[in-house]
Amino acid sequence: AQKITQTQPGMFVQEKEAVTLDCTYDTSDPSYGLFWYKQPSSGEMIFLIYQGSYDQQNATEGRYSLNFQKARKSANLVISASQLGDSAMYFCAINTGRRALTFGSGTRLQVQP
Amino acid sequence: EPEVTQTPSHQVTQMGQEVILRCVPISNHLYFYWYRQILGQKVEFLVSFYNNEISEKSEIFDDQFSVERPDGSNFTLKIRSTKLEDSAMYFCASSPPLGGTEAFFGQGTRLTVV
Repeated sequence: AQKITQTQPGMFVQEKEAVTLDCTYDTSDPSYGLFWYKQPSSGEMIFLIYQGSYDQQNATEGRYSLNFQKARKSANLVISASQLGDSAMYFCAINTGRRALTFGSGTRLQVQP
Repeated sequence: EPEVTQTPSHQVTQMGQEVILRCVPISNHLYFYWYRQILGQKVEFLVSFYNNEISEKSEIFDDQFSVERPDGSNFTLKIRSTKLEDSAMYFCASSPPLGGTEAFFGQGTRLTVV
């Protein structure tokens, strides 16, 4: 079984500042993938970033980076230079060889002007 | 850019009625999924489908649910006799053949059972 824990139900950040959203995971599989998705108020799920368990480098996609600490089983999302449009729900997820995603409970991020 | 398409975007149905939610995955993808999200809660896995059969299902996916790929493009989720607790957003997703890459989600179907 695999599990994702997101301990921050809500976060506030000032526009243009960086913010870190926490995610810890648990799995017994040595090979797994970690994902972050953004869900705006309109409801769709938008893929942000992916990290494979064997990837040596932390993943980056534009203003998003994933702080992957394998020994701690954490995969925190860092958003640099926050924008008002970043206000949304953010979900961390994991999959292993069985391919179905297991999601965390999410963090609601609000960017303040 | 290719995308997963779901229809309808909203559906309201009477309790006990059958509903069919439709999805057109990305054309070269081989793995297909249904997830649901009850309002305000996390996204939950229902079922995955590969090579024209169910490859994995969760405990939520009981006998009331079924999936089908009736032709080369559509992927459907049927709920035989809807219950109030089936009200949720239902997401279809697909993944390319290479494992470990992201699942592409459709925009969702909001199902309301009254």
